[in-house]
Amino acid sequence: LAKTTQPISMDSYEGQEVNITCSHNNIATNDYITWYQQFPSQGPRFIIQGYKTKVTNEVASLFIPADRKSSTLSLPRVSLSDTAVYYCLVGDTAFSSNTGKLIFGQGTTLQVKP
Amino acid sequence: GAGVSQTPSNKVTEKGKYVELRCDPISGHTALYWYRQSLGQGPEFLIYFQGTGAADDSGLPNDRFFAVRPEGSVSTLKIQRTERGDSAVYLCASSLGTTHADTQYFGPGTRLTVL
Repeated sequence: LAKTTQPISMDSYEGQEVNITCSHNNIATNDYITWYQQFPSQGPRFIIQGYKTKVTNEVASLFIPADRKSSTLSLPRVSLSDTAVYYCLVGDTAFSSNTGKLIFGQGTTLQVKP
Repeated sequence: GAGVSQTPSNKVTEKGKYVELRCDPISGHTALYWYRQSLGQGPEFLIYFQGTGAADDSGLPNDRFFAVRPEGSVSTLKIQRTERGDSAVYLCASSLGTTHADTQYFGPGTRLTVL
């Protein structure tokens, strides 16, 4: 299984850009990179997904270098409401199992301060 | 539209009792997943349904845990002879089920406390 490594916690201030980097050295050819956000007492929520280069949506950007061994989630101009846990996931390398199950790590707890 | 719903939101039970946790997926989603999340940890996969069948139950910790999805929609996670270590938030997610990369939509979870 592809394992991800990301910082346990990060602090930021309102209005700043936040970049959270995730390492996934053993990513497989067929794996996508997906980021989820989780607020307290809620289930995780999909933020963004990519395979290579750069992906942008209305919430965030995802930067993936050519070797795909890492990825960076970029949150522009964070607000207090962006305080949450952010999970980096890569697809289950055992695609022969045919499930799409998500393998979560501990995530990065982002604390946005006023 | 309606998202994934789970009932009850909280369940307190005594050690040794039987509990059922219900998940209503998004209408039309053929894939349904159960995860378990302990405090301070990321969700941990339990079981995956494609339609009515359990396509992957490799995450179920032991034979006290069982899940069904008889009509391919609502799913029930059943835990027999509950133990204190079963205390966690049980999350359900559903997706279209057309590809592995389909977005999974999570419910709010059921917080299970075993006394």
